Amino acid sequence: DAGVTQSPTHLIKTRGQHVTLRCSPISGHKSVSWYQQVLGQGPQFIFQYYEKEERGRGNFPDRFSARQFPNYSSELNVNALLLGDSALYLCASSLTLMSGGRTNEKLFFGSGTQLSVL
Amino acid sequence: QKEVEQDPGPLSVPEGAIVSLNCTYSNSAFQYFMWYRQYSRKGPELLMYTYSSGNKEDGRFTAQVDKSSKYISLFIRDSQPSDSATYLCAMSGDTGGFKTIFGAGTRLFVKA
Repeated sequence: DAGVTQSPTHLIKTRGQHVTLRCSPISGHKSVSWYQQVLGQGPQFIFQYYEKEERGRGNFPDRFSARQFPNYSSELNVNALLLGDSALYLCASSLTLMSGGRTNEKLFFGSGTQLSVL
Repeated sequence: QKEVEQDPGPLSVPEGAIVSLNCTYSNSAFQYFMWYRQYSRKGPELLMYTYSSGNKEDGRFTAQVDKSSKYISLFIRDSQPSDSATYLCAMSGDTGGFKTIFGAGTRLFVKA
């Protein structure tokens, strides 16, 4: 089975431009999360979508937006790019399962999109 | 102070050594504790997924959670060169996959 796929793998933009990153989840997974990973740091939560609805948002400015489509794929949009937006953008899909009276949700990450803002 | 603290290393060990990786955290609401492995230019891969305190073993990997001390560990037995990667601890207060907070990662090098 295919894992989480992200496109493009690499992208170079200049300050002020906008960018759209795409993600296809694992088949059967209805939830997609976006994370930003700056070099030398751990991933930081941006958004999670479940069944096309925003479930949660991290501490990111309104320049960041996302959406999920009926086929559960997702796009992350970033407007007015800043140099500090240079990072690896990771998409993760997840399946929520009930076990032992609690909810378990495991994230499966794609290889990411490396965004460089010049 | 960060919610999750993790020594960035690098940690260099000989092949066959036992590796100990650790994280501390400050938020007592965390209930799910994970360890991810990340190779260069790749996304994180889930290694261990635990709920609340206790130990969990999977092959050469053992995860320990001590909620009273807000301290989690990952032990790797019989380390191999293929274990060379960055190891990220991660925590969540909800389902384990929602608003997950990651440590900065520890770079591990296993020398043949």
